[in-house]
Amino acid sequence: DAKTTQPNSMESNEEEPVHLPCNHSTISGTDYIHWYRQLPSQGPEYVIHGLTSNVNNRMASLAIAEDRKSSTLILHRATLRDAAVYYCILTNFGNEKLTFGTGTRLTIIP
Amino acid sequence: DAGVIQSPRHEVTEMGQEVTLRCKPISGHNSLFWYRQTMMRGLELLIYFNNNVPIDDSGMPEDRFSAKMPNASFSTLKIQPSEPRDSAVYFCASSGGPVTEAFFGQGTRLTVV
Repeated sequence: DAKTTQPNSMESNEEEPVHLPCNHSTISGTDYIHWYRQLPSQGPEYVIHGLTSNVNNRMASLAIAEDRKSSTLILHRATLRDAAVYYCILTNFGNEKLTFGTGTRLTIIP
Repeated sequence: DAGVIQSPRHEVTEMGQEVTLRCKPISGHNSLFWYRQTMMRGLELLIYFNNNVPIDDSGMPEDRFSAKMPNASFSTLKIQPSEPRDSAVYFCASSGGPVTEAFFGQGTRLTVV
């Protein structure tokens, strides 16, 4: 299975944009890049996913490098409610297992 | 839809007892996942089903753990006999396909004393 690498922790100021990086240098051509987050005392929740093109939704944007070996989750204006552990995960049609790594713990500073 | 529903939310049991955790996936979803989360090991995938069939149970820790999905709307994770090291939060998730959004339940916090 292709592996992802994320920083253990990041901090950001409230109301500032946040860029969360993920490296996936062994990604295959059919792997989708998913982001989930886990708020304190809750189950993980879906944030966004993409294949090749950048993606936007109401929660965040996903910027995918041209060679697809890295991606960045962008929170445009962080709020205190965005403090969570963010996970970058790869899946494809032949392997839909959502395997969580250690993720990035995001702290928002008021 | 009420989302993925897990029961019970909390379970405290004595070592050696049988524990059964239950999950109702979102209607129409054909994939179901069971996870265990601890501080030491993070989120571990235990088993996942597709169309009620177990596809990958390589994460099931040992024979004391078993999971079933008798129909598309119900799954159980059983631990028999339970041990203190099984104490964790157990999550169930369902999805409509391999590259679609997965929805997680609120989890069952299991404490084995």
